Amino acid sequence: AQTVTQSQPEMSVQEAETVTLSCTYDTSESDYYLFWYKQPPSRQMILVIRQEAYKQQNATENRFSVNFQKAAKSFSLKISDSQLGDAAMYFCALLQGAQKLVFGQGTRLTINP
Amino acid sequence: EADIYQTPRYLVIGTGKKITLECSQTMGHDKMYWYQQDPGMELHLIHYSYGVNSTEKGDLSSESTVSRIRTEHFPLTLESARPSHTSQYLCASSEYRGSEAFFGQGTRLTVV
Repeated sequence: AQTVTQSQPEMSVQEAETVTLSCTYDTSESDYYLFWYKQPPSRQMILVIRQEAYKQQNATENRFSVNFQKAAKSFSLKISDSQLGDAAMYFCALLQGAQKLVFGQGTRLTINP
Repeated sequence: EADIYQTPRYLVIGTGKKITLECSQTMGHDKMYWYQQDPGMELHLIHYSYGVNSTEKGDLSSESTVSRIRTEHFPLTLESARPSHTSQYLCASSEYRGSEAFFGQGTRLTVV
């Protein structure tokens, strides 16, 4: 069974607009971590934002914010004021146990100028 | 820029050959990971390590093996490469539970 599910294989947004990428996950643990990573074309994977499950407050990093719904096991990423440099594959990830880091299928985000 | 390096970046090799993909990090991280990723697709965890002399298999069954003799080094070996092993292999490391994972640039392996 898929532990981390991203149901949107592709998304597109107009430059300067807002887009939300979806992620759901499954875990029986109460203490875990969630991440969004970005993989630009032919470049290294980098961290976008991180959320600790025991913190109710949604994480934010400049134009990037999450909507963390613990009971629903949902962790969506909102990108505001989209820029051309935001075009990439976005991966949702869950840290299980001591360090087992598993990823979703990814969402390819296209920014239309 | 993260201090984690993978070599080679690209490798084309014949069926049946033994290969080792190198991964090194200079950050002193205990936790290291190997992922297999087909182009534009999800990452599958194939191996991870808590520290020296500790390795675990990930969710995706893999014919590869790993070793962790030194903190900074986490090589992946395929004893007999097959075309089904053609993929991109990504190495990552993190400092502690819940911290950011840093990724290498990947090794794109083609077995012909």
